[in-house]
Amino acid sequence: KQEVTQIPAALSVPEGENLVLNCSFTDSAIYNLQWFRQDPGKGLTSLLLIQSSQREQTSGRLNASLDKSSGRSTLYIAASQPGDSATYLCAVSDYGQNFVFGPGTRLSVLP
Amino acid sequence: DAGVIQSPRHEVTEMGQEVTLRCKPISGHNSLFWYRQTMMRGLELLIYFNNNVPIDDSGMPEDRFSAKMPNASFSTLKIQPSEPRDSAVYFCASSKGGASNEKLFFGSGTQLSVL
Repeated sequence: KQEVTQIPAALSVPEGENLVLNCSFTDSAIYNLQWFRQDPGKGLTSLLLIQSSQREQTSGRLNASLDKSSGRSTLYIAASQPGDSATYLCAVSDYGQNFVFGPGTRLSVLP
Repeated sequence: DAGVIQSPRHEVTEMGQEVTLRCKPISGHNSLFWYRQTMMRGLELLIYFNNNVPIDDSGMPEDRFSAKMPNASFSTLKIQPSEPRDSAVYFCASSKGGASNEKLFFGSGTQLSVL
């Protein structure tokens, strides 16, 4: 059974810092990995999707990498801003479209 | 595009009552997912449909839960009878689906409180 973990559970940084969020999964037979953002009281917004054949994806200040063999992904946020404060979740899908989510990392960017 | 639309946003009910949650996926998306989020268990997949057909309902907790998708633009999740442990945020999500290399789009969720 696929299990997804995320480290750290919470992170607080001053504005402008670059930061890395980590995601680990136990079964490397994944179809893709997605990083999501969740604001309090809201649904999830997909930020980046990495297919299993890819190594990384970039969108603006966000860069996500995938190392399938080691079961790891990282989300890099450059020049963090207070508006980046949210919970970030990663999810992996198997070939059956079963998305398994991690518990999330709660990020606070202090002005 | 209006995005995934869920109703109601909040539902407060008493134990034993029937609860129906509703979802309208994004037009053109043919995969629809129901998730439940709690502090203790995080985000759990309950069931998903592809082309209106239930594909995997192994996450449905028990017989009190049922889900339907009568057409491509509407789905319901019903709990009967409801219990306090069903209190959670229930999310509906959709994707273009088929192959799972498509982003998931989530609705704003229904906050369910069973007293």
